[in-house]
Amino acid sequence: SQQGEEDPQALSIQEGENATMNCSYKTSINNLQWYRQNSGRGLVHLILIRSNEREKHSGRLRVTLDTSKKSSSLLITASRAADTASYFCATSLLDAGGTSYGKLTFGQGTILTVHP
Amino acid sequence: KAGVTQTPRYLIKTRGQQVTLSCSPISGHRSVSWYQQTPGQGLQFLFEYFSETQRNKGNFPGRFSGRQFSNSRSEMNVSTLELGDSALYLCASSWVAGAGGDTFGSGTRLTVV
Repeated sequence: SQQGEEDPQALSIQEGENATMNCSYKTSINNLQWYRQNSGRGLVHLILIRSNEREKHSGRLRVTLDTSKKSSSLLITASRAADTASYFCATSLLDAGGTSYGKLTFGQGTILTVHP
Repeated sequence: KAGVTQTPRYLIKTRGQQVTLSCSPISGHRSVSWYQQTPGQGLQFLFEYFSETQRNKGNFPGRFSGRQFSNSRSEMNVSTLELGDSALYLCASSWVAGAGGDTFGSGTRLTVV
């Protein structure tokens, strides 16, 4: 079963607007990553945030992480039609010994449509 | 530098057949992970290999298997195909799986008829 829930499931906005996607997860993590996928193609890595970080920026992307609420958000500012894609959060899990399981667990994704 | 290469891109197989998919990781990456993506179940972890050893396995039946070669290239095999195996199969390579920097290939789209 999926580790995380993402909302909204779908988001439709106009070019120039901001898009915010949220991700919640259930267990302790050592990092959380966001990926983009265009039309069922491969996943493109966007940004990684570690469990000891609260906020990170990369270009038009801003990611926040709240480990107490087990949630993260991805903000895309000044969106463009080319941002139209599915966005996934992925967590890396820690076991009781603190060793990564070495796998990513994905949320169900948010489908973002940006209208020109 | 070359990315992660998956072959073939598309595949159509008949129920009961078997299939082998290939993944060539980024040069220097020793970890290769495999994922299955379907509309109903989303992205699910299949297994991860590091230096020719399977270190982790997801909750899939034994029909799904894999291996990794000394050059880090990996293959996954699905035997006795079922209609429900139709999916996009993605592989990711990294220095350390799940620690960040997991780079994905474009995937193999498998259709079972």
